Amino acid sequence: EEQLVESGGGVARPGGSLRLSCAASGFTFDDYGMSWVRQAPGKGLEWVSGIKRSGDTTAYADSVRGRFTISRDNVKNFLILQMNGLRAEDTALYHCARGFLGGPLDYWGQGILVTVSS
Amino acid sequence: EIVLTQSPGTLSLSPGERATLSCRASQSVSSGYLAWYQQKPGQAPRLVIYGASRRATGIPDRFSGSGSGTDFTLTISRLEPEDFAVYYCQQYGSSPPFTFGQGTKLEIK
Repeated sequence: EEQLVESGGGVARPGGSLRLSCAASGFTFDDYGMSWVRQAPGKGLEWVSGIKRSGDTTAYADSVRGRFTISRDNVKNFLILQMNGLRAEDTALYHCARGFLGGPLDYWGQGILVTVSS
Repeated sequence: EIVLTQSPGTLSLSPGERATLSCRASQSVSSGYLAWYQQKPGQAPRLVIYGASRRATGIPDRFSGSGSGTDFTLTISRLEPEDFAVYYCQQYGSSPPFTFGQGTKLEIK
């Protein structure tokens, strides 16, 4: 059974950093592109970033480009989101999801909460 | 960036009725790379339709998707109590960012 489990969330100060991880299991991880999607409290879904299965191509939403970095470890089956220069508007539930270029988001993790506050 | 606009914002219907949700794109969605997701309170989104018209695994056949280019529709032929949720469309074509619509809340009348 396909499973995605996020970790690494918490509270950070404005300007601070957090590193999110997503552990993948139940499928061949390096066969799929992966994405991060976030949802601010009471708001809709926002696609944040994605990475191709080989890791050689990445993409970002304008709102996070230059501050966030997506990467993956195809040996340990992990997806990573390094978040620097955090802002209050980055406060959200962050979901890891399977899918990227040309592929829908067909499996989702339950999400991990990131709160940016002074 | 492709902007997706969903309508209506809220749809109030009764079980057994037919639901029609719309998603309009600011420019053509390449190769019909349009998906619909269902989200219930406290849960992660669930893929319902991909490729504009293909049902995802385990999705009942009362759900159907249609459309191409800039206009897409999700139809639920006969609403069941478990279908009441928020629905989002998303384009995942050749060029990021892979934007979502703002969502349609399907509520019980």
